[in-house]
Amino acid sequence: DVKVTQSSRYLVKRTGEKVFLECVQDMDHENMFWYRQDPGLGLRLIYFSYDVKMKEKGDIPEGYSVSREKKERFSLILESASTNQTSMYLCASSLYSRGPFTEAFFGQGTRLTVV
Amino acid sequence: AQSVTQLDSQVPVFEEAPVELRCNYSSSVSVYLFWYVQYPNQGLQLLLKYLSGSTLVESINGFEAEFNKSQTSFHLRKPSVHISDTAEYFCAVSDIGGYSTLTFGKGTMLLVSP
Repeated sequence: DVKVTQSSRYLVKRTGEKVFLECVQDMDHENMFWYRQDPGLGLRLIYFSYDVKMKEKGDIPEGYSVSREKKERFSLILESASTNQTSMYLCASSLYSRGPFTEAFFGQGTRLTVV
Repeated sequence: AQSVTQLDSQVPVFEEAPVELRCNYSSSVSVYLFWYVQYPNQGLQLLLKYLSGSTLVESINGFEAEFNKSQTSFHLRKPSVHISDTAEYFCAVSDIGGYSTLTFGKGTMLLVSP
């Protein structure tokens, strides 16, 4: 089974802190994603990466950056956390970056609270 | 660009009743279609998907969805729901071609009561 592991289930950070959310997948998938989930808004794509060191902005990239130095690991960075970034963050991966999109596998999520 | 509309934010039903969760999409190109389910305090799991072929697709736990190209819909149905089906359901689309990303709807909370 594909496993997507997010480093923390719950995080509490202070306004202005630099925050790192880590995600690792174990199935050699090309594509990795970061989504943000908020009640009534569904899932919104922040960034995705189709290859090592490659990244593309999603729908809501402002206030975030990402890093993918190794194929299996995709990090989401909040340069200066703000209270409006309090949310559930979901990492996902899929096999191919192009061509048939068959399935995305999701991690358990990190619930981030910025105080 | 594509978009997904889930018309109901919440659907309350009684156990053993039928249910339909509605999903409409908008895209300038052909799409793949998905339903994901999220049980409380868990990540998302794929429920079923339409890639090509038969427009009626089924899941292992009794859900089915039908792709209707003319109405740009992919509604999810189950003839008889269980308490354990209580969860949030997300419809999603992915453009055929280009980078493979998923665009999600806002979700529908299915509440099954005895």
